[in-house]
Order: sequence, then C-alpha cells, then structure tokens
Amino acid sequence: NAGVTQTPKFRILKIGQSMTLQCTQDMNHNYMYWYRQDPGMGLKLIYYSVGAGITDKGEVPNGYNVSRSTTEDFPLRLELAAPSQTSVYFCASTPGTHYEQYFGPGTRLTVT
Amino acid sequence: AQSVTQLDSQVPVFEEAPVELRCNYSSSVSVYLFWYVQYPNQGLQLLLKYLSGSTLVKGINGFEAEFNKSQTSFHLRKPSVHISDTAEYFCAVSDARDDKIIFGKGTRLHILP
Repeated sequence: NAGVTQTPKFRILKIGQSMTLQCTQDMNHNYMYWYRQDPGMGLKLIYYSVGAGITDKGEVPNGYNVSRSTTEDFPLRLELAAPSQTSVYFCASTPGTHYEQYFGPGTRLTVT
Repeated sequence: AQSVTQLDSQVPVFEEAPVELRCNYSSSVSVYLFWYVQYPNQGLQLLLKYLSGSTLVKGINGFEAEFNKSQTSFHLRKPSVHISDTAEYFCAVSDARDDKIIFGKGTRLHILP
C-alpha cells in the first residue's frame, strides 16, 4: 500500500492564480482531512469528508474548496491565491476518529 | 467543543536525560487522546493513543503517556532521550460526538549534546 499520497511536493503560485492540490489514499478510509501548518501554529483544519459525496468546513475554509467524488480522492482547490495561503498543506485519512490518522508527505506552497 | 493546550512551545533537554511534554485538554464528554511526532520535512506519524482502559499508554520509540482525567492531562514522557528524538510533538483530542480531531500547537523538542 502506498498510503496517502500528495502532489505536488512543492509549488510557487503568483497572487490570483488557482491550483488543485491532489490527495489520494489506497486504504479504503471513509474519513479524509485537509490541514494547513504554519510555524508555531500547529495544524489548522481546512475541510474534511466522512465519505464520498460528503464534505464539511473546518476551522479555516475561506479561499479553499473541496470535492469527494470517490473514496480514494480528496482534492483541495485554491481559487485566487493570496500570500496568506503560503503554508504547508497536509492531507490525512482514517477509518474513524478513534483510529490513527495517516498523513501524506505534504505540499509546500508559496504564493508571491 | 474540545480543545488542546500544549504548554511549552519548545523544550531543550540534554541527551540521555528524561523529558516530559505537557498536554491539557478540555471536553465535556469521553475523549480519545493522541500524540503524534513530526520529524523535519515529513508528515505526522502516531506515537501512541489512549482510547479507554489503562491510563498508562506505551508507544513507539520508548515514549509513554499517562491519561489523568481529574487533571484533564495527557503528558508524554521518555526516561532517556536520544538525538534522534529531535522533532515536533503534537497532542490531539477527539470525542465520540465529533468527526474531527483537534491538534495542539506543537512542542519542539531540542536535544542538547
């Protein structure tokens, strides 16, 4: 099993550009999450999904969108990138909230 | 709603000395508690978790944590640290009512030679 994979690993965007961060898991987990990590701030939840076709906002959803058309994939869309979205983005999956979350390797995004 | 407080943002400790990383949580219902570790330029990985039962939980790499319900704490300990333990450590909490897990802000462990 590959676990949780994320692409790209690194990306530089200009202000106002858009992009999609890809996340795929091969463990048949229903729960998937997107976090952003900023220095000294821990992990902030952006969006999450409890199954295909179901998504919900987390703590910091503004400027982002998600979709969950399959169990495996949970892409994160950034529209009109802003410097405040410069961060490291992590995707995670789990069978349920009392189980371990499995994290991808992260995407480092810089918006200039 | 539940929350997590990691009281120390950084903890320096000499190699082979013991260490305790502190974590306090708040929740009005039964909780599940986790410690994750993040090595430089990597994602997070699970160190240990408490779901129920024995309040002393043993994890990987010689770490352990004790669940204290009266003090709403879940402190992480290791009796003797190694240079390879240099990392950031995150405490996290979830409960049976919620689909989310809440992470603390992290504690950076610096191992001094």
